[in-house]
Amino acid sequence: DGGITQSPKYLFRKEGQNVTLSCEQNLNHDAMYWYRQDPGQGLRLIYYSQIVNDFQKGDIAEGYSVSREKKESFPLTVTSAQKNPTAFYLCASSLIKTVNQPQHFGDGTRLSIL
Amino acid sequence: EDQVTQSPEALRLQEGESSSLNCSYTVSGLRGLFWYRQDPGKGPEFLFTLYSAGEEKEKERLKATLTKKESFLHITAPKPEDSATYLCAVQVGGYNKLIFGAGTRLAVHP
Repeated sequence: DGGITQSPKYLFRKEGQNVTLSCEQNLNHDAMYWYRQDPGQGLRLIYYSQIVNDFQKGDIAEGYSVSREKKESFPLTVTSAQKNPTAFYLCASSLIKTVNQPQHFGDGTRLSIL
Repeated sequence: EDQVTQSPEALRLQEGESSSLNCSYTVSGLRGLFWYRQDPGKGPEFLFTLYSAGEEKEKERLKATLTKKESFLHITAPKPEDSATYLCAVQVGGYNKLIFGAGTRLAVHP
């Protein structure tokens, strides 16, 4: 089945630790995105990438880093510089041939602080 | 500043009781409006895209409409399985950037 796979489903971070969230898609989509979801707030864009080896900061990129070495993969690292990392992280992908292409989402990773 | 506001924040309905969810937006250069459904602990599931004022889309008990300033998601004769959070997002700019509202939590009781 085509889709977006995020792992792990739950992740715990210790103080001063970097953690990496995985996102893989087999939809042959060009663009991939990372969002953060907090209770009572809309999804906020962290990073996005439209092509391999290129990515841009979203609205809340501080304390996060990404890479796009393969079209199918877009891992997100939450660094120790991110002081409030507890949230639900969602990865999405879309085509970019034309505008108005819907983004399709994985089932998220819930990150908590130990 | 581009902004998307959804109301109500939460809605409780009896099974079969029709209602509407609202998504109002203030953005420059709207390219499209998207509705998603999100179940607890899951990612959003795409429902509809609306491109221009006056457009309507339907899927089972759901119908989405769009004006120049807002969109409505009408739910006709809802069932308990329609319980979820419904998210609205608008696309601005040229790289598929979406601005999301905070969502409406819908609970349908038998």
